[in-house]
Amino acid sequence: SQQGEEDPQALSIQEGENATMNCSYKTSINNLQWYRQNSGRGLVHLILIRSNEREKHSGRLRVTLDTSKKSSSLLITASRAADTASYFCATDAYRGGTSYGKLTFGQGTILTVHP
Amino acid sequence: DGGITQSPKYLFRKEGQNVTLSCEQNLNHDAMYWYRQDPGQGLRLIYYSQIVNDFQKGDIAEGYSVSREKKESFPLTVTSAQKNPTAFYLCASSIAGESYEQYFGPGTRLTVT
Repeated sequence: SQQGEEDPQALSIQEGENATMNCSYKTSINNLQWYRQNSGRGLVHLILIRSNEREKHSGRLRVTLDTSKKSSSLLITASRAADTASYFCATDAYRGGTSYGKLTFGQGTILTVHP
Repeated sequence: DGGITQSPKYLFRKEGQNVTLSCEQNLNHDAMYWYRQDPGQGLRLIYYSQIVNDFQKGDIAEGYSVSREKKESFPLTVTSAQKNPTAFYLCASSIAGESYEQYFGPGTRLTVT
């Protein structure tokens, strides 16, 4: 089964509203990362949160991590039409040693922000 | 400008032909990765390399091969043994080790008919 499952699969909101996406995973992790992908393009890294952190902010982004529930959420505040994209969580699983940065990606949440 | 490039952007091949996708980076990263993305899906790891002349299979390596002769380059060959090669292929690089972000190229869309 796949590590990192996003919820919802699709989210449609109006400009100015907040968007919340959730990610669940199954195994212990070193860190969890969020990426953004515009249609037909490569991924862009948004934020990394380590397993010993509970919350992190970057501009309009807020990420939380609950290792007891094996879940994370990405909040985009005051959304803009330019935020329209797919958002993926990726986990770097803990393997008792060096993980070599091998990430496992979820299937993503498609966010549409209407002007 | 530092970055990671993939070429070509679109690639068309006939079934039964091998095809090589290019990936080059000038970020001085030791680690490089190849992913496959199918429509509406997340990324699946094909191969990764932490250092020159060394690479490991990812989750879906069957039908693919790679080489890592130079730090800057990590070409992927899609062989005729890959049963369903039509997909979007993404290359990425990062500092080697854990807890580093990956930098992605723009991707190559391969269509095999």
